[in-house]
Amino acid sequence: GAVVSQHPSWVICKSGTSVKIECRSLDFQATTMFWYRQFPKQSLMLMATSNEGSKATYEQGVEKDKFLINHASLTLSTLTVTSAHPEDSSFYICSARTGAHTGELFFGEGSRLTVL
Amino acid sequence: QKEVEQDPGPLSVPEGAIVSLNCTYSNSAFQYFMWYRQYSRKGPELLMYTYSSGNKEDGRFTAQVDKSSKYISLFIRDSQPSDSATYLCAMSGNTGGFKTIFGAGTRLFVKA
Repeated sequence: GAVVSQHPSWVICKSGTSVKIECRSLDFQATTMFWYRQFPKQSLMLMATSNEGSKATYEQGVEKDKFLINHASLTLSTLTVTSAHPEDSSFYICSARTGAHTGELFFGEGSRLTVL
Repeated sequence: QKEVEQDPGPLSVPEGAIVSLNCTYSNSAFQYFMWYRQYSRKGPELLMYTYSSGNKEDGRFTAQVDKSSKYISLFIRDSQPSDSATYLCAMSGNTGGFKTIFGAGTRLFVKA
């Protein structure tokens, strides 16, 4: 299957700082990438849809100024958690689709953020 | 009612057992059906991908889709302790911009 790489896999930061997480499709071009948040023992919560060259589409209740998403190229999307607080501590996962209308989604390894 | 219903379990089986995991859904526009396996603190891994109705087999895994009943299944034969993980069903179609909808995930424990 297609490979999606996510970096860093874990990060610890102080409250008030910003953290950037990268998501790369290694062997295919992804016009659309997705960012999820996952709490322990819960399913994936879609945060936003990232479209190459345009603004991300955020799900209801997700603060776009807190979670900045940039999709500058067909193989890279970034999520920046701005002014992080302890309640932002979570597991963040990205995914990418190989085609606009195909069903298959391929996920990154996830990034665990801990805000002290 | 959620678009996709999946029993969160946990489901505990002995090694070697046949495992049956299921999801039901309400949106008849779903065409693409997927099963993912997620180990603790890892991203989901795509196990099976099926378009429309029918069966698909890959090694010890068999995926079934019954669109008339809006019911999908994943069977794991000869289950192993390494199969212990959370299994997520997912589906999408020509609705909502092909947004993928996930089930809650079923936690599976295979005991040696």
